[in-house]
Amino acid sequence: EAGVAQSPRYKIIEKRQSVAFWCNPISGHATLYWYQQILGQGPKLLIQFQNNGVVDDSQLPKDRFSAERLKGVDSTLKIQPAKLEDSAVYLCASSPYYNEQFFGPGTRLTVL
Amino acid sequence: EDKVVQSPLSLVVHEGDTVTLNCSYEVTNFRSLLWYKQEKKAPTFLFMLTSSGIEKKSGRLSSILDKKELFSILNITATQTGDSAIYLCAAIDNYGQNFVFGPGTRLSVLP
Repeated sequence: EAGVAQSPRYKIIEKRQSVAFWCNPISGHATLYWYQQILGQGPKLLIQFQNNGVVDDSQLPKDRFSAERLKGVDSTLKIQPAKLEDSAVYLCASSPYYNEQFFGPGTRLTVL
Repeated sequence: EDKVVQSPLSLVVHEGDTVTLNCSYEVTNFRSLLWYKQEKKAPTFLFMLTSSGIEKKSGRLSSILDKKELFSILNITATQTGDSAIYLCAAIDNYGQNFVFGPGTRLSVLP
């Protein structure tokens, strides 16, 4: 079974630039999550999709972050414009139910 | 506000030692608690605990949930250097709409 795929693996940008991350969940997994993990902290949920609908985006900074999951499969997370404090690892996870999550390798973002 | 607290935040032991990691939670409509191991990459799943008092085991790792006192422990016996990692616990509610991670416990196992 193929795992959750994410790209790019690393990204370095300057503040005020835009960046987009891509996630391809495990086939058949209806639920998709985006997390932000700042160094030394546990993952923080940004947004949760059930198929292509948003279940929870209460912690997504909507003034600069956006996410979509077209056709209920792949998802993209965008930051525009980026700030220094957005430097983190962005994890995508998928789940067939609201239980065990399978995580992708993450995208490490550095904002200079 | 829902929260998950872990202790200790950092722990250094020697190979062969036994460690106990703690996780306490305050989550509305709590359903399950999950433990993950995170090395230099994304977290990998260890256990999911839904029922109180039932121990789950996998090799040298075991975990149990106390829903009355709102905590869980993760035990690792006969630790090995390969157990060095961050151990995360996360709580999920009944509706699957609230998934809260703790800060993690950084375990270092010295040879």
